[in-house]
Amino acid sequence: AQTVTQSQPEMSVQEAETVTLSCTYDTSESDYYLFWYKQPPSRQMILVIRQEAYKQQNATENRFSVNFQKAAKSFSLKISDSQLGDAAMYFCAYRSARWQAGKSTFGDGTTLTVKP
Amino acid sequence: SAVISQKPSRDICQRGTSLTIQCQVDSQVTMMFWYRQQPGQSLTLIATANQGSEATYESGFVIDKFPISRPNLTFSTLTVSNMSPEDSSIYLCSVVWGYGYTFGSGTRLTVV
Repeated sequence: AQTVTQSQPEMSVQEAETVTLSCTYDTSESDYYLFWYKQPPSRQMILVIRQEAYKQQNATENRFSVNFQKAAKSFSLKISDSQLGDAAMYFCAYRSARWQAGKSTFGDGTTLTVKP
Repeated sequence: SAVISQKPSRDICQRGTSLTIQCQVDSQVTMMFWYRQQPGQSLTLIATANQGSEATYESGFVIDKFPISRPNLTFSTLTVSNMSPEDSSIYLCSVVWGYGYTFGSGTRLTVV
């Protein structure tokens, strides 16, 4: 079974600074997807960024980028130029690429505080 | 991406009663997932609901406690039955969309 580990229950960053959230996972599969989701106090889960395991290039979405190390099974999220609106709980998630393998495995989450 | 309308957004219920949560998707989807989330904690999958077949429950969750309906490809309900204070939680529905997932806005349930 796949597992996802987020070793940082809480992180804080100064506004406009950069912060990196860690995620490691364990799987025996070679083809899969990895995600970072953001959940603000409104409870709405929002997809921040995704990475396909077969792609060597790290995904980037504006101020959000990942460092995907497949051999090390590491998938960290870097938030640049942090904004107050980035404050939320962040979840790392894994999903198999096998057909009909729909469900995901989520990490325990990292609560990010942004200080003005 | 798909948009999910989840109702109710919150409710306070008496112990021993039941609550049905609804999720309506604006697109046809094969799989729908139901999660439970304690405040400040991760998501725990309750069951996977496919249209036309019985839901598949995860370990620790049973159909008698959490019956699920999936009458068509755009709608599903989760009922929390015979509630106790331990059922107080946030319940979320989700669907696979593209390579990722879209989530409903969640139902905050408090059992008193």
